[in-house]
Amino acid sequence: GDSVTQMEGPVTLSEEAFLTINCTYTATGYPSLFWYVQYPGEGLQLLLKATKADDKGSNKGFEATYRKETTSFHLEKGSVQVSDSAVYFCALRSNTGNQFYFGTGTSLTVIP
Amino acid sequence: KAGVTQTPRYLIKTRGQQVTLSCSPISGHRSVSWYQQTPGQGLQFLFEYFSETQRNKGNFPGRFSGRQFSNSRSEMNVSTLELGDSALYLCASSSRTPNTEAFFGQGTRLTVV
Repeated sequence: GDSVTQMEGPVTLSEEAFLTINCTYTATGYPSLFWYVQYPGEGLQLLLKATKADDKGSNKGFEATYRKETTSFHLEKGSVQVSDSAVYFCALRSNTGNQFYFGTGTSLTVIP
Repeated sequence: KAGVTQTPRYLIKTRGQQVTLSCSPISGHRSVSWYQQTPGQGLQFLFEYFSETQRNKGNFPGRFSGRQFSNSRSEMNVSTLELGDSALYLCASSSRTPNTEAFFGQGTRLTVV
């Protein structure tokens, strides 16, 4: 079945460091891929998405490229800030149904 | 437009009791999914409702149930509460248009004592 595998955390970085959070997926067909962010005490918010191969999603300095050949959707940011501290979830939506599949989440802490 | 609204935000219940949580989706969205989030298990899918019918179900015991009304609002019910049911329960609303994202509510924090 469809699934998402996400880099284990927690991740601790200094401010202005480069961030990569790895995400790979298993799916039949051509799913849509998403990154969500969750701040303490809140629900999940969409960070970015990509709906077909080679699409790049971007938002707030974060980027991820839909790589069908490696079934990956890694999240990157060139220079993290303290305000980026949160939990990040990779997700896919199957194109054969409405169900979303989420990774286990990666906790990021950015220290000044 | 208004986001996904979950009520209540916080609940404290005693073991053995039952609880009902409510979710109002974004206007026009007819699909509502429920998730349980715990530190140990992460985000786990409970079930999805669309047009008042359960379409998908996760691997949870029958104590967890839900329903959806004609206005797309959804409720989930947990009977005979156990300590392990303490979690953040998240509701997500979506349209069934391909490639679109799900929108989450802020969640209901349930504590079972």
